[in-house]
Amino acid sequence: GQQVMQIPQYQHVQEGEDFTTYCNSSTTLSNIQWYKQRPGGHPVFLIQLVKSGEVKKQKRLTFQFGEAKKNSSLHITATQTTDVGTYFCAGLRSNDYKLSFGAGTTVTVRA
Amino acid sequence: DAGVTQSPTHLIKTRGQHVTLRCSPISGHKSVSWYQQVLGQGPQFIFQYYEKEERGRGNFPDRFSARQFPNYSSELNVNALLLGDSALYLCASSSLSGGYADTQYFGPGTRLTVL
Repeated sequence: GQQVMQIPQYQHVQEGEDFTTYCNSSTTLSNIQWYKQRPGGHPVFLIQLVKSGEVKKQKRLTFQFGEAKKNSSLHITATQTTDVGTYFCAGLRSNDYKLSFGAGTTVTVRA
Repeated sequence: DAGVTQSPTHLIKTRGQHVTLRCSPISGHKSVSWYQQVLGQGPQFIFQYYEKEERGRGNFPDRFSARQFPNYSSELNVNALLLGDSALYLCASSSLSGGYADTQYFGPGTRLTVL
């Protein structure tokens, strides 16, 4: 079955630094979605990528979909304490309703 | 507009019991999906319903069942509870505007503890 892997599992970042989290699928995806879950909260939708090689930006967050549509990345610049949480990627295959989530990257920020 | 609502917020059951979890989607959304999130892991897909019909099922045993009502609200039922069923159960609604890919709007979840 489809597997979505995320690395790293944990990311400890100094406030102000940049970091990247990666998402890899064992199968080609029709689209990939990114969610953020704050401690004690529920996943909140961030963005959806559909096209091969697509890059989207949301303020300090940059999302990229790989050319082969099997991997994706999230890059955060100038990390802030508000960036704390777990970031999940979730992949969808063509003609499939099963959104497959990765295990997430949990981000902590040192002030 | 209200977001996705779920009830109850927390639930404690013992092994072998049955549980029913409820979800109301965002107004206008016709699709509801259920996910199980075990501590430290990502949400795992259980079911998706659209217009009261099951459109997708994850790798969960037959003890798990669900249904969607005419008002698009949904119930998730789990029979013969096991300790391993302890998790956060998330409901997500989407507009599913004809396509397979759609943003999932998650509710706050029901925290189920099985003793």
